[in-house]
Amino acid sequence: EPEVTQTPSHQVTQMGQEVILRCVPISNHLYFYWYRQILGQKVEFLVSFYNNEISEKSEIFDDQFSVERPDGSNFTLKIRSTKLEDSAMYFCASGFRDRDTGELFFGEGSRLTVL
Amino acid sequence: AQSVAQPEDQVNVAEGNPLTVKCTYSVSGNPYLFWYVQYPNRGLQFLLKYITGDNLVKGSYGFEAEFNKSQTSFHLKKPSALVSDSALYFCAVRPPRGGKLIFGQGTELSVKP
Repeated sequence: EPEVTQTPSHQVTQMGQEVILRCVPISNHLYFYWYRQILGQKVEFLVSFYNNEISEKSEIFDDQFSVERPDGSNFTLKIRSTKLEDSAMYFCASGFRDRDTGELFFGEGSRLTVL
Repeated sequence: AQSVAQPEDQVNVAEGNPLTVKCTYSVSGNPYLFWYVQYPNRGLQFLLKYITGDNLVKGSYGFEAEFNKSQTSFHLKKPSALVSDSALYFCAVRPPRGGKLIFGQGTELSVKP
């Protein structure tokens, strides 16, 4: 069964460092998302991406964050200068159609620890 | 504003008993409603969804959910709980015009033998 894969599973970084989290969405999906979850709590929307551009972003997704789909398979989230409060589990998700009734498929997550 | 509420942080059930995890939503129009489950240190797994039609929808692992438009609720149910059902459950809504999933705060389900 196709699945969303994320790397790394866990990354530890120093405050102020740049971090790139990588995702390989399901191959025929067209819409891509990043969510984050702090300490097993609420799952918060960060950004959605379609047709090589951001379609929606939350207040959390400030200038320190960026997303990219550098090739036909990868979808990355970059945090330019990490802060302590960026420590969280980051989930990538993909969907076949945004306006459809379809569910999103989530990866296993990348745990980011900022020291 | 669109939102989802899960009024219980934790639900405790004995194995074999029926379980209910509550969810209410606030969305203009007719929303698309979802339930996801998260096992420890894992991603979110899709359980079931309501789009239209029969108010009772069936999903994975014997779970079902009942959509109630007048009460704006979408409670998750299972007739007989298993210890392996213990996990974090998230209700989510997707506005009818599409877009992101909006999640509730999650409910920790604990099923004891």
